[in-house]
Amino acid sequence: NAGVMQNPRHLVRRRGQEARLRCSPMKGHSHVYWYRQLPEEGLKFMVYLQKENIIDESGMPKERFSAEFPKEGPSILRIQQVVRGDSAAYFCASSADRAGANVLTFGAGSRLTVL
Amino acid sequence: AQTVTQSQPEMSVQEAETVTLSCTYDTSESDYYLFWYKQPPSRQMILVIRQEAYKQQNATENRFSVNFQKAAKSFSLKISDSQLGDAAMYFCAFFHYGGSQGNLIFGKGTKLSVKP
Repeated sequence: NAGVMQNPRHLVRRRGQEARLRCSPMKGHSHVYWYRQLPEEGLKFMVYLQKENIIDESGMPKERFSAEFPKEGPSILRIQQVVRGDSAAYFCASSADRAGANVLTFGAGSRLTVL
Repeated sequence: AQTVTQSQPEMSVQEAETVTLSCTYDTSESDYYLFWYKQPPSRQMILVIRQEAYKQQNATENRFSVNFQKAAKSFSLKISDSQLGDAAMYFCAFFHYGGSQGNLIFGKGTKLSVKP
């Protein structure tokens, strides 16, 4: 069981470019969560998805950010027209059922640097 | 809104000794979960221990145990017989079903150093 796989581990973008972060959940997990960690901070919830559905996106900025979890393939977090403030570590987690009763398993994160 | 506070930005412990990391939280809910996560330099978030609020017995996992005081809204982590590999950031986290699904609320973390 490979765990939660995130790629790329490191991504460098210039202001105005697009960033795409991918997350493959653990085998058998159909619930995916994205978190953002700014320097010296804890993780902050962004979005919760199940296959083909966004369940809760209350933590995601309304502009430039989007997420999907298609029927086939990994979950994608997309940031358009990146700005320096988007520089952070982005973590994906998955669970077999809704969080809480079933513990979230986190990936190793993707570190985005915006120049 | 729920909040999680870790009042110790940094802690240090001698190898083989015991250290306690503090966490307090604020909520009006009665049914929730509390977690401690470890984040080593690799940045991987690793679950250390979990506590269900309805359970009075404190959770333990080998050298890790918690002191859960529900009335005081306190959830401290005790690490016994500290090892060099315990050096990491430790995050306390809160979850309840009535909130956003999957929305774990994290504290800002405590950086633990272990001295040989």
